[in-house]
Amino acid sequence: DTAVSQTPKYLVTQMGNDKSIKCEQNLGHDTMYWYKQDSKKFLKIMFSYNNKELIINETVPNRFSPKSPDKAHLNLHINSLELGDSAVYFCASSQGLAGPAFYEQYFGPGTRLTVT
Amino acid sequence: AQSVTQLDSHVSVSEGTPVLLRCNYSSSYSPSLFWYVQHPNKGLQLLLKYTSAATLVKGINGFEAEFKKSETSFHLTKPSAHMSDAAEYFCVVSDNNNNDMRFGAGTRLTVKP
Repeated sequence: DTAVSQTPKYLVTQMGNDKSIKCEQNLGHDTMYWYKQDSKKFLKIMFSYNNKELIINETVPNRFSPKSPDKAHLNLHINSLELGDSAVYFCASSQGLAGPAFYEQYFGPGTRLTVT
Repeated sequence: AQSVTQLDSHVSVSEGTPVLLRCNYSSSYSPSLFWYVQHPNKGLQLLLKYTSAATLVKGINGFEAEFKKSETSFHLTKPSAHMSDAAEYFCVVSDNNNNDMRFGAGTRLTVKP
């Protein structure tokens, strides 16, 4: 069974559109994350979400918003897509929010978003 | 601020020969360091982590890494490469005071028969 799954795997869309990426984890974890991997392979954290507490990386534009219908899901909504949003987006989960030194993060396979 | 530099974007070895993937880090605090592996179309998988305990860390699949504070390095090694080791490897540094994880740009490992 896949521990952390994301859909879709590939997403191609035009500038200005609104799109969502879904993430689900079946590990019973309390904390979920979204990361953005740019063209140079650097992964940067966008959001951490734990028991309805949202921690936002201040560099993330407010066009990006995470939505959590329940503990097992953390979806990423993006409004008014821009060319610079093209990247691979990774979802992850962990048992707690104490940090990766304490709790291992489990990553999904990634969603490659291409904005044309 | 913390950062990592993976010194090689691509490493190619023959099956059965040693693997060395190099990583240097920069951190203002006592860091935690990790190596992750990503196989094609798969998620990132944790290989091993250093969290201020033993400086030589053993991970899964025969990999190990040594934390060298004087050299600010955390190189990943394996005595004998296997074809299944071909993947992308990421070195990661984390400040123990927050959840920030800085990933390196990755090293693609190719294993030749």
